[in-house]
Amino acid sequence: GAGVSQSPRYKVAKRGQDVALRCDPISGHVSLFWYQQALGQGPEFLTYFQNEAQLDKSGLPSDRFFAERPEGSVSTLKIQRTQQEDSAVYLCASSPSSNRFPNTEAFFGQGTRLTVV
Amino acid sequence: GQNIDQPTEMTATEGAIVQINCTYQTSGFNGLFWYQQHAGEAPTFLSYNVLDGLEEKGRFSSFLSRSKGYSYLLLKELQMKDSASYLCAVRGLSGGYQKVTFGTGTKLQVIP
Repeated sequence: GAGVSQSPRYKVAKRGQDVALRCDPISGHVSLFWYQQALGQGPEFLTYFQNEAQLDKSGLPSDRFFAERPEGSVSTLKIQRTQQEDSAVYLCASSPSSNRFPNTEAFFGQGTRLTVV
Repeated sequence: GQNIDQPTEMTATEGAIVQINCTYQTSGFNGLFWYQQHAGEAPTFLSYNVLDGLEEKGRFSSFLSRSKGYSYLLLKELQMKDSASYLCAVRGLSGGYQKVTFGTGTKLQVIP
């Protein structure tokens, strides 16, 4: 596609509910990143994929968070038993470079705004 | 770990020049990025610096001093559409991994 697409744009979940957030990166992009952005804050790194391999998941805040990219394209971020502190915008970014973060731009999606009530 | 500081908010007048500063501390510094983010939208890439000096790109310029752990983004001939948050991001070593850490962003308001 023309850009990174994320769905849904907005998600309201009841506390304790499981959610799945989808990211469609730009076709052919090797690297894919997930970030969490709380209101008024900068994006916080969650995890990084190179093709289907999850090379870095050090930013995932707890074992309730799980990400996958089984065929090296679409990625899903799953949050189990959501808590109120999970409320944030979840940003996905992709890059054509196989470097962890290229010397040029990473292309971000518009994010999924998750609200846990 | 990595630590990035930038002002929370700034206000400037349309047509003027504004400088947004960013100071950082990191291990294994390997580049600094500036992104623009309008409210509710995705961050968009503005600039990348890895060597000391000034990089100019149209109305936007970015400066880096590695010895001082300092960068600034300079916006000239401000336009109303430049009202946005400006994110400074540093690539370095954190927890044994090379990763990019974002600052909290500077919210710029351009007034007539």
